[in-house]
Amino acid sequence: QVTLKESGPVLVKPTETLTLTCTVSGFSLSNARMGVSWIRQPPGKALEWLAHIFSNDEKSYSTSLKSRLTISKDTSKSQVVLTMTNMDPVDTATYYCARTEVSSSGPGWFDPWGQGTLVTVSS
Amino acid sequence: DIQMTQSPSSLSASVGDRVTITCQASQDISNYLNWYQQKPGKAPKLLIYDASNLETGVPSRFSGSGSGTDFTFTISSLQPEDIATYYCQQYDNLPTFGQGTRLEIK
Repeated sequence: QVTLKESGPVLVKPTETLTLTCTVSGFSLSNARMGVSWIRQPPGKALEWLAHIFSNDEKSYSTSLKSRLTISKDTSKSQVVLTMTNMDPVDTATYYCARTEVSSSGPGWFDPWGQGTLVTVSS
Repeated sequence: DIQMTQSPSSLSASVGDRVTITCQASQDISNYLNWYQQKPGKAPKLLIYDASNLETGVPSRFSGSGSGTDFTFTISSLQPEDIATYYCQQYDNLPTFGQGTRLEIK
């Protein structure tokens, strides 16, 4: 059974750096057909893809947030880490990680998803 | 980035109704289009990938069609458990989602 679980702080202050960890089980981060993406959802709003990491350690990032994001993985620990710098109240959202099927064009579809973790940005 | 426009943004229908949601891409994305269901307080769930392929275990009342820029998601006979928000997502380029369609029971 494939599962993903997000962990990290529930509250961060403006200008701080957010670090989130996704711990996966049931598949390997070295599987060439699979990767892991981070996706977020502000309260009551739509989903927004943030970043993806491939098995070969190649990364791709949202165009609008690229300067603030870093994604990395530790295959031996089955963990994917996302950092987002200079947090702002508008970054308040539920952050999800998801296993991602890799397509010829890059990240494909997301299945399954973790339960998500709500991060609030407030002083 | 490729923009995805979903319509309607909300929809009210009766049990047993046929429900259709559309998604339009700002440029040709071939069949690189997926559909998700999100129930309140839950993570999204993949229903359809590559525009028309039903994910394993998803009921056959769900279906998808389209290619290029125009796509359709259909529930053939609405069930009470289908109440959710539905999202389309393209992956021809960096992934982007539609704004969602909130489906309610009339």
